This record gives sequence, C-alpha cells and structure tokens, in this order.
Amino acid sequence: ILNVEQSPQSLHVQEGDSTNFTCSFPSSNFYALHWYRWETAKSPEALFVMTLNGDEKKKGRISATLNTKEGYSYLYIKGSQPEDSATYLCALNSGYSTLTFGKGTMLLVSP
Amino acid sequence: DSGVTQTPKHLITATGQRVTLRCSPRSGDLSVYWYQQSLDQGLQFLIHYYNGEERAKGNILERFSAQQFPDLHSELNLSSLELGDSALYFCASSVAAVRGDTIYFGEGSWLTVV
Repeated sequence: ILNVEQSPQSLHVQEGDSTNFTCSFPSSNFYALHWYRWETAKSPEALFVMTLNGDEKKKGRISATLNTKEGYSYLYIKGSQPEDSATYLCALNSGYSTLTFGKGTMLLVSP
Repeated sequence: DSGVTQTPKHLITATGQRVTLRCSPRSGDLSVYWYQQSLDQGLQFLIHYYNGEERAKGNILERFSAQQFPDLHSELNLSSLELGDSALYFCASSVAAVRGDTIYFGEGSWLTVV
C-alpha cells in the first residue's frame, strides 16, 4: 500500500502571506505526481502533473517543485488571497494510471 | 467546469437498499475512475474502466459493482447499503489509461445512508 503524506493538515494565513505545503511519497514507486485544488461542493481542479526530478511548474501565483530522489513535492502560494481557500491534494501515479491520494492540506486565507 | 457530469448530486437512502450513481466522462475521454471520499479518509480508489473494460480494482467492496457502457458513460451500483457507505463518491475521467494523464473529476455524488 502506497503512503502519500501531506503536511500540514491545515493552515490558516492572512491575506497577502505566502505559504507552502509538502507532499511526501515513496521515491521507489514514482511515475508522476498530481496536485489538485478542491473547494467544497466543487470538483477537484487539476493544477499540475509533474514527472521529472527537479521539475518546477507555475500557474499564476501557485507553483510546485518536485524531488523524486528524496520523495517530496512542495506547493507554494505567493500572496495568498481569500479565494485561495481550499483543500490542496497531492496524488501519486506509481505502477498504474490510477492515483493514490494524500489526505490534503486545508488552507484558510483570512481577509 | 471539468466536463465530468455526475448524477445525482445528493441521495439519501435507507440501510439495505441499492442505489446507482451515474457518470458521464468528458467528451473524448475513454477512461473512467470511481473514488470514494469518507470522513477522515483521503480519496480512495474504487475501480477503473477503459473503453468499456475493467482495468483495475482498488478497495471496492463486493457489494459494489460498476460498468462502463458503449457510449462511455459509467454507473456505480451500491447494494445492501450500510451506514458506513455514507460518503462522497467521485467519478473522474482521462483521455487514455496512461500514467501522467491529467485526470478530471466531477463534483461528486453525496450518499447518505440512514
């Protein structure tokens, strides 16, 4: 059973703060790492798919890095806004196309 | 809007009953996945279909079954329902069945068993 860990479990920041979360995974079972943003009552929104060690991806104020050798990925949000409040999920592709998810990091951004 | 459509959005039913959840994948997507989100659990993979054929099974109970039809829509059948089956059930789709494909999720079907 693959173990995908996310930390912290939850985070409360003020508008304008920059923040980051961690996703850890077994480096021996890596093919691709996915990040999703999930707001309550909506569908999880795909942010990034990362496959290469050292990969960096960016979408607006959100960026992610990947270290496959040590088994972790960071998601960064620069200048957090209240609309960034959501649960951020990472998920691992290992031996197959299905995803193994972490439990997520719940972000709350206060105005 | 991800393009993945799930019905119903909410469902309340009694223990012992049977329900069917329906999913229409994004146009052109051949793969359909079902996931379950329960309290205190991450998204748990249930089953994957590709172009009508079952490709992988995860933690799916024997009381649950699924199929993908020739028009590529999928149904998840849950029978002999128990209180613990109350959860958010997601359907997701992708173009193929390749690792690294982006997988798009629907909004989910909330099932409450009373």
